[in-house]
Amino acid sequence: NAGVTQTPKFRILKIGQSMTLQCTQDMNHNYMYWYRQDPGMGLKLIYYSVGAGITDKGEVPNGYNVSRSTTEDFPLRLELAAPSQTSVYFCASSSTGLNSPLHFGNGTRLTVT
Amino acid sequence: QQQVKQSPQSLIVQKGGISIINCAYENTAFDYFPWYQQFPGKGPALLIAIRPDVSEKKEGRFTISFNKSAKQFSLHIMDSQPGDSATYFCAASNAGNNRKLIWGLGTSLGVNP
Repeated sequence: NAGVTQTPKFRILKIGQSMTLQCTQDMNHNYMYWYRQDPGMGLKLIYYSVGAGITDKGEVPNGYNVSRSTTEDFPLRLELAAPSQTSVYFCASSSTGLNSPLHFGNGTRLTVT
Repeated sequence: QQQVKQSPQSLIVQKGGISIINCAYENTAFDYFPWYQQFPGKGPALLIAIRPDVSEKKEGRFTISFNKSAKQFSLHIMDSQPGDSATYFCAASNAGNNRKLIWGLGTSLGVNP
C-alpha cells in the first residue's frame, strides 16, 4: 500500500518555465489537497478537490492550476515559474473532508532560479 | 494574520524528559485541533487530535491538553526519546473541515540521547 506518491522529489526550474507536479493516491480517497511549505511559515493550502472533476482554490492559488480527472490523480501545474514559487510542495488526501486525518506524500522540493 | 500561534519555535530536551509545545488560537468557532509530526524529508503525519468537548486526550506518551476558556492547547511528550526528534505542527479548524485547517508555524524538537 503506497499511500500518497509524489513525483518528482526534486526539481530546478528556470524563471518562466512550466512544470507539473504529479500526485497519486491508492486509498480511494475523495478529498485531495496541495500545500506548499516554506521555512518557518507552516503549510499553506494551494488547491483542493472533493472528488473527480471538482476542484477549488485554497489560500494561495495564484500561479498554480490543478485538475482532477480521476479519483487517484491530482496534478499541480505551475505556469511561468517565479522565484516566489521556490518551496516544498506536499500533496495530501483524506477519506472525508471532516475530522479525518490528512495523509501526506513525501513532497517535491522545487527551486526556481 | 496568524490565527494559530505556536511556541516555542524550537526545543531541545534530554532523553526521558517532558517536551511541551503550546498553541493558542483566536477563532472561538474552531472545534477540531490536530497535531501533526513531520520527520526530515517526509510529509506530516497525524499524531493525535482533540475536540473541545474534552480537556485532555492521551495516546501512549503523547497527550493533548485543551483549555477552552484560555483558547489554548498543548502537546506533552512524556519520556521523550531521540526518535521523537521532528517538527511538530498544531492546527485548528471549524467543524473539522480539512480544507479550512489553519496551521501553526511548527516547533522543531530535538531530543538529546
